[in-house]
Amino acid sequence: DAKTTQPTSMDCAEGRAANLPCNHSTISGNEYVYWYRQIHSQGPQYIIHGLKNNETNEMASLIITEDRKSSTLILPHATLRDTAVYYCIVRAPYNQGGKLIFGQGTELSVKP
Amino acid sequence: DGGITQSPKYLFRKEGQNVTLSCEQNLNHDAMYWYRQDPGQGLRLIYYSQIVNDFQKGDIAEGYSVSREKKESFPLTVTSAQKNPTAFYLCASSIMSGGTEKLFFGSGTQLSVL
Repeated sequence: DAKTTQPTSMDCAEGRAANLPCNHSTISGNEYVYWYRQIHSQGPQYIIHGLKNNETNEMASLIITEDRKSSTLILPHATLRDTAVYYCIVRAPYNQGGKLIFGQGTELSVKP
Repeated sequence: DGGITQSPKYLFRKEGQNVTLSCEQNLNHDAMYWYRQDPGQGLRLIYYSQIVNDFQKGDIAEGYSVSREKKESFPLTVTSAQKNPTAFYLCASSIMSGGTEKLFFGSGTQLSVL
């Protein structure tokens, strides 16, 4: 599974959009991009995933570049409760032996 | 309420003691996982099970054991062979669809050594 690179930490003002980048320059054609977040002392929570196309759900949007070497998770109107560690994970389909590997992630602090 | 329940939330282990962490799910998921998290670090996979009565070692299985006798339950035993057991332990189950897999996590167990 391809390795991902994320900034260690980011700040965002409450009510503004939070844009969290992830670099995955060695991604393969069948590997999906997943995002999870972990609020302090809790289990991670699934946010969104995508393969090639941009995706949106009730929590966030995922923008994947055309060459698929990087992606951005967008929280459109960040709130204080969005303060968490955000993990970007790249993996092959589970039936091809891919595993979800959680790196150190980006610590997002949303400030009033 | 559907979900994953881990117990206890806090656990203390004496030297040379085995302790068992409980993980129960009522989501009817086939696959279950155990992860370990050290302060400021990501999650590392200990064991996983994709079906009842079958499980595989993850990246850091030494000093741990599991069983999967029922679909709903995947207990983790931290044995005395695990010399540095202090960590936050997370259990997860997953649903698979079209090549993708979504994990659902419990709220974790903090294990400390006395």
